[in-house]
Amino acid sequence: DAGVIQSPRHEVTEMGQEVTLRCKPISGHNSLFWYRQTMMRGLELLIYFNNNVPIDDSGMPEDRFSAKMPNASFSTLKIQPSEPRDSAVYFCAVNAGLSGANVLTFGAGSRLTVL
Amino acid sequence: GIQVEQSPPDLILQEGANSTLRCNFSDSVNNLQWFHQNPWGQLINLFYIPSGTKQNGRLSATTVATERYSLLYISSSQTTDSGVYFCAVVRNSGNTPLVFGKGTRLSVIA
Repeated sequence: DAGVIQSPRHEVTEMGQEVTLRCKPISGHNSLFWYRQTMMRGLELLIYFNNNVPIDDSGMPEDRFSAKMPNASFSTLKIQPSEPRDSAVYFCAVNAGLSGANVLTFGAGSRLTVL
Repeated sequence: GIQVEQSPPDLILQEGANSTLRCNFSDSVNNLQWFHQNPWGQLINLFYIPSGTKQNGRLSATTVATERYSLLYISSSQTTDSGVYFCAVVRNSGNTPLVFGKGTRLSVIA
């Protein structure tokens, strides 16, 4: 996961607290994706950015979720307030392959537990 | 949206055995990738294979785009092959998101 650094790797918080997940991607990409993985729903796309601009956020579950990409080297996913059903592994991924192709490189993920 | 179905959902193999994992998709694709999620949760890209055949060591993949399926072959399986294998596709080329199947969970036992 050297190409995409996610933090924190694990977070346990209480319902109602604000959670901020961070992603620092490698250089050379032009798209960044946030996915969520749960046992019930598998891997779901939450939002993606092209050239730092949000393109499709239809996968964001509720207004409690927000994402930003202030520059090509940093993105955040924020949940406020958090709820137990938000417990999941959140992955950040970037395209880092052939020109014009969407070959994804994933970070190691952030495992969130909301009590 | 496009549907991605993977089979079998679960597979248990004796070390040294061969296996074939299948991915069916409901529409034409310009992008198909196979990923391995190891027991620690890390997702690793195995192949970018919208069509044709590729090989990487004991793994190989074939996509028959006209018939809307892809196969992942694992030969001489090892315990380190255990994990979940995902197929992901996208209908259009460019920077559009991949849609993932539900995966095949593989357990290789010594």
